[in-house]
Amino acid sequence: AQTVTQSQPEMSVQEAETVTLSCTYDTSESDYYLFWYKQPPSRQMILVIRQEAYKQQNATENRFSVNFQKAAKSFSLKISDSQLGDAAMYFCAFALYNTDKLIFGTGTRLQVFP
Amino acid sequence: GAVVSQHPSWVICKSGTSVKIECRSLDFQATTMFWYRQFPKQSLMLMATSNEGSKATYEQGVEKDKFLINHASLTLSTLTVTSAHPEDSSFYICSASLLAGVGDTQYFGPGTRLTVL
Repeated sequence: AQTVTQSQPEMSVQEAETVTLSCTYDTSESDYYLFWYKQPPSRQMILVIRQEAYKQQNATENRFSVNFQKAAKSFSLKISDSQLGDAAMYFCAFALYNTDKLIFGTGTRLQVFP
Repeated sequence: GAVVSQHPSWVICKSGTSVKIECRSLDFQATTMFWYRQFPKQSLMLMATSNEGSKATYEQGVEKDKFLINHASLTLSTLTVTSAHPEDSSFYICSASLLAGVGDTQYFGPGTRLTVL
């Protein structure tokens, strides 16, 4: 069975600084997708970034980038130039290539201080 | 693009009544829709997966007779909580994906807060 672990229940960062959120996962499969979703106080889940496991290049989306280490089964999210609007719960999620089921981690609450 | 709506955004009902929650994909046809439940300060728990025109697949421990799912079209799925009880109070979130069976990105609705008195 696949599992996703987020070991940081809470993180904080100063505005304009950089923060990294950790995520590890466990699977015996080789074809899968990894995601980071953001859930602000509105509770709307927003896709932040997506990574295909077969791609060695780390995905980036503007200020958001990942460090995907397939051998170590690690998928961390780096937020650069943090903004107040980045404050939210961040969920790491995993999906096998041949299924639809998303497996979520327990989430990391990010606070951004001015 | 890829907008998913839910209605209602919140609902309060009396114990024993049934409540229907709608999930719509507004600008795309969703092959697959998903229903999640989220307790306060916890992660999302998948309840069921539904494909248009076929029966939903429920996760282990989810009562299919209590949580009725109908995926009537490629843009609409409904979740009916039958004979609701206070323990069913929760935040229910739906999501939709374009492609089935390939781990495609899921786009989420804004959620529905259900309170059962």
